[in-house]
Amino acid sequence: NAGVTQTPKFQVLKTGQSMTLQCAQDMNHEYMSWYRQDPGMGLRLIHYSVGAGITDQGEVPNGYNVSRSTTEDFPLRLLSAAPSQTSVYFCASSGDGRYGYTFGSGTRLTVV
Amino acid sequence: GQSLEQPSEVTAVEGAIVQINCTYQTSGFYGLSWYQQHDGGAPTFLSYNGLDGLEETGRFSSFLSRSDSYGYLLLQELQMKDSASYFCAVSGSSNTGKLIFGQGTTLQVKP
Repeated sequence: NAGVTQTPKFQVLKTGQSMTLQCAQDMNHEYMSWYRQDPGMGLRLIHYSVGAGITDQGEVPNGYNVSRSTTEDFPLRLLSAAPSQTSVYFCASSGDGRYGYTFGSGTRLTVV
Repeated sequence: GQSLEQPSEVTAVEGAIVQINCTYQTSGFYGLSWYQQHDGGAPTFLSYNGLDGLEETGRFSSFLSRSDSYGYLLLQELQMKDSASYFCAVSGSSNTGKLIFGQGTTLQVKP
């Protein structure tokens, strides 16, 4: 099993550009989340989903959009990239929602 | 809202026991989880406490006191490979899948 797959692994964007970070899981998990992690910091929740068609905002949702059209996929869209969005982005999924999240390997994003 | 506090750094020697504390303030509480993250890697799930008491998984144990809004992760027989960051995380009172993480504790294991 692949688990949680994130693409791309690295990305450099110019200020104002938009892009989509992809996340797919093959474990039939209902719960999926996006986090960002800045150097020396914890994980901050951007958006999360409890199933296809249902999403909600986390701690730092501004500048990001999500949709969940299938159980497997949970893409994160950056609408207009800003240097403050330079970070490592992790996607995670869980079959329970309270614990046992499996994380993808991350996308390292730099906005210049 | 939810907030969690844990020490930023802990140092211990190989073979020793170390405890990483976590206190939390939440508007609702379902459970406390612990995750490990090595430098440059992704977080991995270690343990979960939904009820008060101790949960043991090999060399790692986790404890929760809901009345004190407090938990800890206990690592025994420390090995060099245990050098990593450890995060506590809380899930809210209804199972919405909203998992909030603390800032993390960097554990350095010395020979």
